Amino acid sequence: AQSVTQLGSHVSVSEGALVLLRCNYSSSVPPYLFWYVQYPNQGLQLLLKYTTGATLVKGINGFEAEFKKSETSFHLTKPSAHMSDAAEYFCAVSGGFQKLVFGTGTRLLVSP
Amino acid sequence: NAGVMQNPRHLVRRRGQEARLRCSPMKGHSHVYWYRQLPEEGLKFMVYLQKENIIDESGMPKERFSAEFPKEGPSILRIQQVVRGDSAAYFCASSPSTSETDTQYFGPGTRLTVL
Repeated sequence: AQSVTQLGSHVSVSEGALVLLRCNYSSSVPPYLFWYVQYPNQGLQLLLKYTTGATLVKGINGFEAEFKKSETSFHLTKPSAHMSDAAEYFCAVSGGFQKLVFGTGTRLLVSP
Repeated sequence: NAGVMQNPRHLVRRRGQEARLRCSPMKGHSHVYWYRQLPEEGLKFMVYLQKENIIDESGMPKERFSAEFPKEGPSILRIQQVVRGDSAAYFCASSPSTSETDTQYFGPGTRLTVL
């Protein structure tokens, strides 16, 4: 069975600061990993995904994540936060038949 | 190319009534997934359907919940005799194939409130 742990239900940064959202996974098979963003009262939008190959994955809006098998991690980063990045971020692992198993989410707050 | 459509966006039901949530996948997608998001929680998988087939319903409550994806028309998630604990956001996603590397595209969700 797969599971995802997102450390920190809330993360606060200042505009222009580094964004780091943590995600650790558990999987009995090679994982496929995803980061989604959810803006208030909207659906989820894919930021990036790791399937195979290069372990550093670049996504939309300047976000990237690195798959580290030895640490079972897939942390999301962005060098410089923007006010528009304020949202909820979900890490997910595929659980067979493309069923996604989500973490509990991290709410990113960006202050001016 | 229109995205995943869900309607209604908001649904209010009294305890004991039925709720019907509809999902139209993206054009060309024949795989539909339903997820439920309880307040302050992540999304939980409910069911995976292809046209006229339920592939995986391991996340569906055993009673009162059912889902279908007919040959024609949208996928329907049906909740009979709703209770307050059913209040949640229900999201539908679609993908073009069964590959685990495919992206699931999510709709805007239906927010169900049970009074």
